[in-house]
Amino acid sequence: DIQMTQSPSSLSASVGDRVTITCQASQDISNYLNWYQQKPGKAPKLLIYDASNLETGVPSRFSGSGSGTDFTFTISSLQPEDIATYYCQQYDNLYTFGQGTKLEIK
Amino acid sequence: QLQLQESGPGLVKPSETLSLTCTVSGGSISSSSYYWGWIRQPPGKGLEWIGSIYYSGSTYYNPSLKSRVTISVDTSKNQFSLKLSSVTAADTAVYYCARHERAGGAFDIWGQGTMVTVSS
Repeated sequence: DIQMTQSPSSLSASVGDRVTITCQASQDISNYLNWYQQKPGKAPKLLIYDASNLETGVPSRFSGSGSGTDFTFTISSLQPEDIATYYCQQYDNLYTFGQGTKLEIK
Repeated sequence: QLQLQESGPGLVKPSETLSLTCTVSGGSISSSSYYWGWIRQPPGKGLEWIGSIYYSGSTYYNPSLKSRVTISVDTSKNQFSLKLSSVTAADTAVYYCARHERAGGAFDIWGQGTMVTVSS
């Protein structure tokens, strides 16, 4: 099975900062990678699909890139409402999520 | 718009079977474009895909849970269901139902989730 490793596991940043989260797959998954945002007590929300495509209605400060085994998720200018845990998810072979990155405001 | 809602007991005894239903509203579960899945999240932990079903009844499961999981669909009620047998405390989690594309793997619409505790 495919393992997904996110880093860092937690991150503290200031409003307006550029924030980057990485996700590494244990084998080549092409661009079969999605990113989700989960706020406390809520269901995850799809932000990025197929590694780099922005889901409809998601602010353009969110972006994704990468292919193969290495992927990056970026928030260009952190907003207070972006405080959440972020997960990557592969679908090359069944479905596996990363362990999550908890983002906090400094 | 399409909405999903989980329902079922919030407390299950060890060794018994956990049963949950997801009701789809605002659209048809019989769409040829989508699969319907279950994902769970233990308290304070990450997300784990359990399994998915197509409206025709075709299923596929997480190998780590396959021996204990059954997912079924009732198109007449626009519902799909999860059964997880021989539960232990490790199965305590928030259980989500969600939709994903047949041709892709993004879970684009989620239910609000339901907490299930396994305890005597």
